[in-house]
Amino acid sequence: AQSVTQLGSHVSVSEGALVLLRCNYSSSVPPYLFWYVQYPNQGLQLLLKYTSAATLVKGINGFEAEFKKSETSFHLTKPSAHMSDAAEYFCAVSEGSSASKIIFGSGTRLSIRP
Amino acid sequence: DSGVTQTPKHLITATGQRVTLRCSPRSGDLSVYWYQQSLDQGLQFLIHYYNGEERAKGNILERFSAQQFPDLHSELNLSSLELGDSALYFCASSARGTSYRGTDTQYFGPGTRLTVL
Repeated sequence: AQSVTQLGSHVSVSEGALVLLRCNYSSSVPPYLFWYVQYPNQGLQLLLKYTSAATLVKGINGFEAEFKKSETSFHLTKPSAHMSDAAEYFCAVSEGSSASKIIFGSGTRLSIRP
Repeated sequence: DSGVTQTPKHLITATGQRVTLRCSPRSGDLSVYWYQQSLDQGLQFLIHYYNGEERAKGNILERFSAQQFPDLHSELNLSSLELGDSALYFCASSARGTSYRGTDTQYFGPGTRLTVL
């Protein structure tokens, strides 16, 4: 079965600093990987997704993630944090060849210090 | 705004009761997915419907059931409610379903917060 591990339930960075949110996956087949963001009292919004095209995936709001098969990782980065980036971030993997069942990580809460 | 609507926004009920959560997908989307988000179990996939047919099941309890109607809206029915069922229930929709091999983006609604007292 596929799974996702997010390292660090809470990450705090200063405004303008690099954001790095870590995600490792487990999969016996080529995975489809996603990063979602959840702002307080809102639903989830797709930031970006990897579907085996390019290993470096660019998403919305200046975020990007790099798929590294050798490290089974899909870390999310943003060069310069903004106060509006404060939210919960979820890494996710779809199971098998189907997009139906998305397995979510436990989430990482990102706080931005002024 | 994702275009997915969910009603009600909040629901407070008692143990043993039954409730129905409603989801309207984005215009033109054929697939509807239900998720449960709770503090202890995180975000879990419950069930997927495509054009009225059940396509995949996740960690959905037998006390829970869902259906998708001809107009493509979906309802999630939760019965014999327990305290542990208190959670945020999300609906998501996508244009297609499993046939697109994982590239189908799911758009999430704002959720229904269920509190069981």
